[in-house]
Amino acid sequence: AQKITQTQPGMFVQEKEAVTLDCTYDTSDPSYGLFWYKQPSSGEMIFLIYQGSYDQQNATEGRYSLNFQKARKSANLVISASQLGDSAMYFCAMREPSQAGTALIFGKGTTLSVSS
Amino acid sequence: NAGVTQTPKFQVLKTGQSMTLQCAQDMNHEYMSWYRQDPGMGLRLIHYSVGAGITDQGEVPNGYNVSRSTTEDFPLRLLSAAPSQTSVYFCASSYGNLGGYTFGSGTRLTVV
Repeated sequence: AQKITQTQPGMFVQEKEAVTLDCTYDTSDPSYGLFWYKQPSSGEMIFLIYQGSYDQQNATEGRYSLNFQKARKSANLVISASQLGDSAMYFCAMREPSQAGTALIFGKGTTLSVSS
Repeated sequence: NAGVTQTPKFQVLKTGQSMTLQCAQDMNHEYMSWYRQDPGMGLRLIHYSVGAGITDQGEVPNGYNVSRSTTEDFPLRLLSAAPSQTSVYFCASSYGNLGGYTFGSGTRLTVV
């Protein structure tokens, strides 16, 4: 079974609109970390936001917020007021202390296209 | 700080050749890992290390070897390159066991 599932291969949004990128995860470990990375066309991996499993509040970083629903095992990324520079591939990832040396396990990604 | 440095950035190999992808970090990070990225597949874990002298296999280890003789360096060796190993390779490192990873800029490898 996939550990991280991103069901949206591609998403399209207009500038200044908000967009939600979906991510569900599967773990039996009570302690884990959830991450979102952005990969623009230039190819580098850019860290966006982190949510710990014990964090009581949803993480926020500027225009990015993580909608963390623990019971549903969901960690959706919300981008408010989209900009043309947000066009990129977005990856959801999880880190479990008891698995694979705590390496990140990634979903297959969602391509976001922002139009003017 | 240089962060995570990967070399080379681009490489073309012939089938059957061997080579080493270099990865070095200057942040004293214990945790390091190698990924390959293929279209539609996301990033898949090849090998990882939790400290000097300790390595283990990830999801797709076949055809690759690693070693971790120092905290700073984590080279990835392709033993006998195959066209199926054409991919973009990323090295990443992390300090703690739940924080984020810092990624290198990647190596684009083509095997012909």
